[in-house]
Amino acid sequence: GDSVTQMEGPVTLSEEAFLTINCTYTATGYPSLFWYVQYPGEGLQLLLKATKADDKGSNKGFEATYRKETTSFHLEKGSVQVSDSAVYFCALIQNYGGSQGNLIFGKGTKLSVKP
Amino acid sequence: KAGVTQTPRYLIKTRGQQVTLSCSPISGHRSVSWYQQTPGQGLQFLFEYFSETQRNKGNFPGRFSGRQFSNSRSEMNVSTLELGDSALYLCASSLAGTGVFGYTFGSGTRLTVV
Repeated sequence: GDSVTQMEGPVTLSEEAFLTINCTYTATGYPSLFWYVQYPGEGLQLLLKATKADDKGSNKGFEATYRKETTSFHLEKGSVQVSDSAVYFCALIQNYGGSQGNLIFGKGTKLSVKP
Repeated sequence: KAGVTQTPRYLIKTRGQQVTLSCSPISGHRSVSWYQQTPGQGLQFLFEYFSETQRNKGNFPGRFSGRQFSNSRSEMNVSTLELGDSALYLCASSLAGTGVFGYTFGSGTRLTVV
């Protein structure tokens, strides 16, 4: 079945460091890909998305490019801040010609940014 | 625009009891999905409702059930609670028909079974 694999955490960085969180997926067809972020004690917030190959999603300085040839959707940010400390989830959803499957999540990567 | 509202935020129940959780989606959103989040299993899909009909179901026992009302509000019920049901239960809503543009999640209900 479909699945998402993301790098194990936790990831600890200093403020202003470069961030990469790797995400690869296994899926048939052409799923849509997402990054969600979860701050302590809260639900999930959609960070960015890409719905087709070569699309680049971006938001709040974060970027990820849908790479079908490598089945990847790595999350990057050029300069992290303490406020970026959270758990990041990569996810996919299948498209079934107008209907949809459910979100399939990776295990999550905890990011801690030190001042 | 109000977000997805889940009530209650916290619950403590005893093994064997049953529990009902509530979710009010964003106005205009007709699809409501439920997910269970635990440290060991991560985020797992429970079920999805669209226009009062269950459209999709995850791999959970029959003790987990749900429903959706005509105003799109949804409830999920867990009967005969087990310790392993302790989790954060997240509700998510999306526009009708497709979730490819992303779901909006509520803050969740933290269920503790003792």
